[in-house]
Amino acid sequence: DSGVTQTPKHLITATGQRVTLRCSPRSGDLSVYWYQQSLDQGLQFLIQYYNGEERAKGNILERFSAQQFPDLHSELNLSSLELGDSALYFCASSASPGSSYNEQFFGPGTRLTVL
Amino acid sequence: AQSVSQHNHHVILSEAASLELGCNYSYGGTVNLFWYVQYPGQHLQLLLKYFSGDPLVKGIKGFEAEFIKSKFSFNLRKPSVQWSDTAEYFCASRSYNTDKLIFGTGTRLQVFP
Repeated sequence: DSGVTQTPKHLITATGQRVTLRCSPRSGDLSVYWYQQSLDQGLQFLIQYYNGEERAKGNILERFSAQQFPDLHSELNLSSLELGDSALYFCASSASPGSSYNEQFFGPGTRLTVL
Repeated sequence: AQSVSQHNHHVILSEAASLELGCNYSYGGTVNLFWYVQYPGQHLQLLLKYFSGDPLVKGIKGFEAEFIKSKFSFNLRKPSVQWSDTAEYFCASRSYNTDKLIFGTGTRLQVFP
């Protein structure tokens, strides 16, 4: 158990819908990262938040957005869902960004299926 | 752009065989390199990491990796695999200008008894 929790574990929804994925980082970690794992794209970085502020952005679609709340949990919002959004979404957390010794701890993931 | 390549997509071994999984990275500056393992249905777990110093890094579960700067490689090794090592293995590099991890495509390892 990495200490990073994600809910829900599984999500099945229809095209055009909107879903919210939730992540709670390890105790004391200020940074949260979101990654998408799909068969065709592999593991791709989406976005990073540090202490409530967006720090880095990857290949995140405009239909997707995220935020980190004052209690440091993060939510990833996916809207106007398409079949191709079906994937495993991982959250990771780390203590402090910028450190050369930064290690990310991954949560169990949320498997999203869009029908 | 920074990238990580894993050339072995699927490896099948018998128990007790030796393992070496290839990983090459593209960035020529200071690198932070990682190997993660993903057991079926589970999350990514860190096997080992390299930041600096001794290029031979020892990780958990008997795994080790060697950082060879001249070859831009960070291959994962284990002298004798077990059935329980069946999993997907990902090599990753930390982006030089952000904290994001850049992953390879992964290698699926199947170990048969």
